[in-house]
Amino acid sequence: NAGVTQTPKFQVLKTGQSMTLQCAQDMNHNSMYWYRQDPGMGLRLIYYSASEGTTDKGEVPNGYNVSRLNKREFSLRLESAAPSQTSVYFCASSEALGGRGPQHFGDGTRLSIL
Amino acid sequence: AQSVAQPEDQVNVAEGNPLTVKCTYSVSGNPYLFWYVQYPNRGLQFLLKYITGDNLVKGSYGFEAEFNKSQTSFHLKKPSALVSDSALYFCAVRETGANNLFFGTGTRLTVIP
Repeated sequence: NAGVTQTPKFQVLKTGQSMTLQCAQDMNHNSMYWYRQDPGMGLRLIYYSASEGTTDKGEVPNGYNVSRLNKREFSLRLESAAPSQTSVYFCASSEALGGRGPQHFGDGTRLSIL
Repeated sequence: AQSVAQPEDQVNVAEGNPLTVKCTYSVSGNPYLFWYVQYPNRGLQFLLKYITGDNLVKGSYGFEAEFNKSQTSFHLKKPSALVSDSALYFCAVRETGANNLFFGTGTRLTVIP
């Protein structure tokens, strides 16, 4: 059972470069999420997708875009990377948005912007 | 507005002793409450949840949590700590009917052999 798979695991970018973080889940979940984790700040929601074909902004969407490619895949794009976007990025999925079930997380992408 | 607080950044406990990791929350309506654990270089793993019903919830790896509505708390507990329990623990809350999950800032638990 792979669960939620994120690629790449590590990446170093220069300021201004672009990058797409990939996420795929094999649990047939409807909803998917992108979070960033920064020291002392917990997890903050960047974007989410309630179901295939829909996306919505979370708490910290500026500087990011997302694509829900199909039910399995949800990608996060940085168009012009900035040092403030250095973080660990987590993708998660759940059966339904706002439901009773937990979210399931990938192992993260560690991104450094120089 | 929804929010969750974990008042302790760090908790140290001796192996074999009981452990408690504290969490308080704020929501307008009824809460859904979750605990997650994060090991180094890994994602968050679900431990347990409170949705409705019994205030004492049992979860994975011998952990349990008690929902206290009057104190708006959902503390994580374990009767006997193991060194392998050392990790970062996150409490999260979602108000019934709301979409998003709000996480605390995390508590680092260290179990001392």
